[in-house]
Amino acid sequence: EAQVTQNPRYLITVTGKKLTVTCSQNMNHEYMSWYRQDPGLGLRQIYYSMNVEVTDKGDVPEGYKVSRKEKRNFPLILESPSPNQTSLYFCASGAHTVDEAFFGQGTRLTVV
Amino acid sequence: AQSVSQHNHHVILSEAASLELGCNYSYGGTVNLFWYVQYPGQHLQLLLKYFSGDPLVKGIKGFEAEFIKSKFSFNLRKPSVQWSDTAEYFCAVNADNYGQNFVFGPGTRLSVLP
Repeated sequence: EAQVTQNPRYLITVTGKKLTVTCSQNMNHEYMSWYRQDPGLGLRQIYYSMNVEVTDKGDVPEGYKVSRKEKRNFPLILESPSPNQTSLYFCASGAHTVDEAFFGQGTRLTVV
Repeated sequence: AQSVSQHNHHVILSEAASLELGCNYSYGGTVNLFWYVQYPGQHLQLLLKYFSGDPLVKGIKGFEAEFIKSKFSFNLRKPSVQWSDTAEYFCAVNADNYGQNFVFGPGTRLSVLP
């Protein structure tokens, strides 16, 4: 089954404790990206990647890092999480620049 | 910078009522337009998309949308809603042919009363 898989689905952590949210897709898509969803703001892009070892900042990259060492994986790293990073995070992948994006199930992160 | 606005924050309808959700974007160049739906507790799923051609596009589950270039609009419609259409609806624009940089609207929550 074609899918984008994120882990974990739910995470509660404390301020300053590094964490990684994993994302994997099995559709051989070149493009992958991370979004955060906040009430009233819709989804905002954090980082995106056009291919292996090619990443770039989206609209809200501060406080986040990503890496793309393999085509299928695109982890999101929070080196020192803060409470304002409490949000719902979605990973997405797509075959082409202008085609639809396929979304993962989401990771609900709470930073206390 | 591109931006997307959605007219309504929350829409409440009874079953069988007609639906129209407004979406406007700001970008002067060529755009690709999408409507995504997010059912409670689930991820976003594509309803329909417009790249070029016929400005009236049909999507899944009886939804359709009309692209009006002169109004920078891409409104979503459905003639008769069902309780199962209760969800949040997001309009999105991809106007940058580089890296799938989608810009999403804030979303419209639709509640359909049985």
